[in-house]
Amino acid sequence: DGGITQSPKYLFRKEGQNVTLSCEQNLNHDAMYWYRQDPGQGLRLIYYSQIVNDFQKGDIAEGYSVSREKKESFPLTVTSAQKNPTAFYLCASSIAVWTGGAHNSPLHFGNGTRLTVT
Amino acid sequence: GEDVEQSLFLSVREGDSSVINCTYTDSSSTYLYWYKQEPGAGLQLLTYIFSNMDMKQDQRLTVLLNKKDKHLSLRIADTQTGDSAIYFCAEIPDNYGQNFVFGPGTRLSVLP
Repeated sequence: DGGITQSPKYLFRKEGQNVTLSCEQNLNHDAMYWYRQDPGQGLRLIYYSQIVNDFQKGDIAEGYSVSREKKESFPLTVTSAQKNPTAFYLCASSIAVWTGGAHNSPLHFGNGTRLTVT
Repeated sequence: GEDVEQSLFLSVREGDSSVINCTYTDSSSTYLYWYKQEPGAGLQLLTYIFSNMDMKQDQRLTVLLNKKDKHLSLRIADTQTGDSAIYFCAEIPDNYGQNFVFGPGTRLSVLP
C-alpha cells in the first residue's frame, strides 16, 4: 500500500541536542512538506520541497533544517537553536503543481512524530 | 493576510447531525478541504469542494460552500462515536506552491 511513513512515533531528547525526524513516501509525489502542530492551533508550515535538491522555508523555519536528496525522503532536523521544540510534527506529500489554474492536489499525511525535549 | 477560522469545540449526541463551520479569507481559493485527525494520528482527507460548487454530498458528509460570505460547512449525518476527532478546514490561497492554510481545528465530541 502506498503511503507516508514517519519514524519514530515518539522521540525524547535533552535540550541542546539536534534531532532528525524521518519521513519516507512511496506515493511517487514530487512535493513534500513538514508541519508543526501545537495544542489548539492549526498546522504551521516549517519547510516544503517541490522537487529533489530544492526546498523552501515555510512560516516557522527558524531552528529547523531539511534536505531532499531523494524523491522519497524528506528528513527534518530540529536543531538546538529551536527555542520551543516540543511539539507534534507532521510530514505530508502531494502531487506538485507547476502551472496556474485549478488543481486538486490534496496533502497526504503521515502519522506524525511526537517530539519531547527536556 | 490569510486566516481560516473555526470554532474550537462542538458536542453532539450520538445519532444527531453535526455541523462544523469554517470561514476563510482568500476568494481566489479554488479548492477547499476538510481533514479529520484522530488522537495521536496524522490528518486524513475527508472530502473537498471545488469553488464553483455550492454543495457536495458524500455518504454521511455534506459540504456547503457560500462563496459570497466565504463560509464553508461540514455536516455529518447520524453522528457516531467513531466520528469523535478534530476536524480541520483548509484552503490554498494560490495555485502555486501548494501552501495550504489550515484552520485551528474543531474538536468534535460525540456523547452517548
